[in-house]
Formats: sequence, structure tokens, C-alpha cells
Amino acid sequence: QKEVEQDPGPLSVPEGAIVSLNCTYSNSAFQYFMWYRQYSRKGPELLMYTYSSGNKEDGRFTAQVDKSSKYISLFIRDSQPSDSATYLCAMSVGGQNFVFGPGTRLSVLP
Amino acid sequence: DAGVIQSPRHEVTEMGQEVTLRCKPISGHDYLFWYRQTMMRGLELLIYFNNNVPIDDSGMPEDRFSAKMPNASFSTLKIQPSEPRDSAVYFCASSRTNSQETQYFGPGTRLLVL
Repeated sequence: QKEVEQDPGPLSVPEGAIVSLNCTYSNSAFQYFMWYRQYSRKGPELLMYTYSSGNKEDGRFTAQVDKSSKYISLFIRDSQPSDSATYLCAMSVGGQNFVFGPGTRLSVLP
Repeated sequence: DAGVIQSPRHEVTEMGQEVTLRCKPISGHDYLFWYRQTMMRGLELLIYFNNNVPIDDSGMPEDRFSAKMPNASFSTLKIQPSEPRDSAVYFCASSRTNSQETQYFGPGTRLLVL
């Protein structure tokens, strides 16, 4: 079993839909949870960051962490074609050693 | 700020040749990371430095891979000799101590070993 699992997709949704992206993990020591967005042929960029459990909202994006289930989610409301990218979850116990999920490829169709 | 700079952006080489990838981190950042991304294995951390000192190189796949950071503004990742299975996109990233959740990635180097 990989340390971080993520459905690779591709996931195709119509413009305006609510998108749910998820990761599961096996290491209960993870405390920091990040979502990175990667456009084609670009480097990943940080989208959301959450420490421990709970929710965090930033505009159209909401990140949720459920440590009891070892499950994190990213919700995108009113999805736009510009949201089409690969979304990578990342986690760490503390410090700089991140473990990334394999990424979910999202296409938002106009 | 120019962001993390990597060179070359693309590299095509033949098996057995030496490959050197270069990275300039964001000024003021004291952490530097080298990652490799493939379809099969995703994004893998190879090695990271803090204040130019290697902290964790457990992700370096083999002795054929080596990385150096001679000063705060430059790092290299070298593969010698290169093999076709080394073909991947190699990313460099940097971050600051008081903002550890944010790693800033460069545009990557696409390496193809024939």
C-alpha cells in the first residue's frame, strides 16, 4: 500500500460544477496537509494548506482534513475551465519532507 | 522575484552520458529540494538541503545520482552514467524556514535518456 493514495482520474466536469478531490493516507503521524495545483508542463504551486484536522476555506476552494479516517478533501465550487489541472495532495509529519499523492487530473469543460 | 530557475529546460542524451541539472532558488530561501516526477511513480523527493547542507538524501535512487549546493544561490543534480529509466521531469523547489508548508517549484527539466 502506498503511503498516500489518490484517484488519478481523469475527472471531467461541466463548468460551474462542484468538484470533490480526495486523498487517503496510512501514516497517522502526518500533521500538515497541502494541496498543490499543477498545470500542464509547469511546476506544482501551493493552493491550500491545513494543519491537523478541520476545514479551511479560500474563495472557491475548501480543504477538509479528517485525521480519524486518514482522509483529506479539496472542494472547488463554481468550477471554471481555468481550474483544469492536476491536483496533488501532499503531507508531512513536520518539517520539509513532503509525501505527495500521485495527483488527480481534472478537466472543466466550458 | 524571478522564482526558482532551472536549466536546461529540456535535455536529450544517450545512455551512459553524464547529465547535470542546475537550480537557482529564490533569494532568501534556506531550503532547497530536488524532486523527480514520472507517470508511474508520481512526484518523489530525491534530496533536500538546509543552509546548503544535505539533510535527507534517502530518496536518491542510486549512487549514479549526486547533488551539491556550493552556495545559497546554486545547486546541481548530476546523473553519471545516465540510463533510460532516469527519463523524467526533475523539479527543484525552495522554501523558507518560517513558511515550511509552501515550497516554490521551478519549471522543471525534462530529461530523456535514449
